[in-house]
Amino acid sequence: QKEVEQNSGPLSVPEGAIASLNCTYSDRVSQSFFWYRQYSGKSPELIMSIYSNGDKEDGRFTAQLNKASQYVSLLIRDSQPSDSATYLCAVNIYNTNAGKSTFGDGTTLTVKP
Amino acid sequence: SAVISQKPSRDICQRGTSLTIQCQVDSQVTMMFWYRQQPGQSLTLIATANQGSEATYESGFVIDKFPISRPNLTFSTLTVSNMSPEDSSIYLCSVARALNTEAFFGQGTRLTVV
Repeated sequence: QKEVEQNSGPLSVPEGAIASLNCTYSDRVSQSFFWYRQYSGKSPELIMSIYSNGDKEDGRFTAQLNKASQYVSLLIRDSQPSDSATYLCAVNIYNTNAGKSTFGDGTTLTVKP
Repeated sequence: SAVISQKPSRDICQRGTSLTIQCQVDSQVTMMFWYRQQPGQSLTLIATANQGSEATYESGFVIDKFPISRPNLTFSTLTVSNMSPEDSSIYLCSVARALNTEAFFGQGTRLTVV
């Protein structure tokens, strides 16, 4: 089992819809969770960080964390064509990983006009 | 956030040669990392650059092939040594201000070995 797993994708949604991206992780002591967006040919950029259970909202983006289920998700409301990118989930395990993130393979999202 | 300058942005190199990639941050950061990303794939961590000491390498990566320096809290270099076409990839510098906080990435170096 991979340490961090994401929807295999690709995911396609119409403009204006809600895009739901999911991520599960294997280590229960994971404490920091991040979502990055990567446009083709560009480097990853941080969208959201979440550290405690529950929802965290930032504009059209909502991150949801459930540590008991070892699950973190990203919801994109009112999806726009400019949201079309690959979304990477990253997890930090405090005790063993010495500050480094473990990345999922990414989910490619296409928002169709 | 952090402003990261990574150089060069791209290069085409002959096999058997070496290339050094530089990563400069606009302010002091605790963590600096080097990643490799093949086209269409996710990030693979090469090593954590440690200030004033040897880097911590991930499984499958060795110091002789990927020597790393970090002389201070704002600068690091990654050298890709004795290159072969298999080393063709995008190399990314990443920094985090504190342990287990969000990371920021440089623009990447697109390396092609011919």
